[in-house]
Amino acid sequence: EVQLVESGGGLVQPGRSLRLSCAASGFTFDDYAMHWVRQVPGKGLEWVSGISWNRGTIVYADSVKGRFTIARDDAKNSLFLQMNSLRAEDMAFYYCVKDFGPMLRGIFDYWGQGTLVTVSS
Amino acid sequence: EIVMTQSPATLSVSPGERATLSCRASQSVSSDLAWYQQKPGQAPRLLIFGASTRATGIPARFSGRGSGTEFTLTISSLQSEDFAFYFCQQYNKWPPSTFGQGTKVEIK
Repeated sequence: EVQLVESGGGLVQPGRSLRLSCAASGFTFDDYAMHWVRQVPGKGLEWVSGISWNRGTIVYADSVKGRFTIARDDAKNSLFLQMNSLRAEDMAFYYCVKDFGPMLRGIFDYWGQGTLVTVSS
Repeated sequence: EIVMTQSPATLSVSPGERATLSCRASQSVSSDLAWYQQKPGQAPRLLIFGASTRATGIPARFSGRGSGTEFTLTISSLQSEDFAFYFCQQYNKWPPSTFGQGTKVEIK
C-alpha cells in the first residue's frame, strides 16, 4: 500500500523558514517523480513544485520560485521542501504527491494527508 | 498559464441520480486532463486521467469524456460516498499544472 506521510508544518513568522518532509513507503520511491501541492483550507489546489526520478528536472510555480527548494533522498525514501522567506499567502496545507511515472507527467496518483503551514506574526 | 474553469460551483443531486460536472480549459490541453475527488478533511484522490481512463480501484459509475478544451465527469448513479468536491486538472502545458476551482456535489 502506497503511503506518503508529511511532517514539518507549523506556525512560523513571516520572513522565516520551514522545512517540510515526506516519508514514502509501499512503492519503489526512486522510480517516480514527486511533487508538492498546496491548498488553502476551504479553497482550491495549487501545484507548487516537482522533481523527476533522477533529479534531472526540477520545476517550481512562479509564486514560490527563488524561495522554495524541492529535494529528494532516495536512500531514505524521502521528499523535502525547504521554504524560505515565507509570506502570509504561503499559508496552506501542503501535500506530498506521487507522480504516475518517473518523469514530471503531472498525473498525481497518490497523495499524503497533508501538513498545515501557518504564517503569522 | 492555462486557466481551468469548472461548472457549476455546486450541484445538488439526489442519491441514485446522475451527476454531470463540466471543466473548460482556456486553451487546448489535448486529453491531458485529470479529475480528483476530495472529501472534507481528506486528501484528493485521483479518479480519472487521460480525460477518460479510470484510476486503479475507481468504480465504473465514474466516467470522463472530452478533449481539447471541454471535458465532463459523469457519475452515473450517485452513492452516499460520492458527495464531495471534485477538481479537474490539466497537465498538458506546464509548469504550472493548473486546477479548476472545484465543484461541490451535495445531497438534494
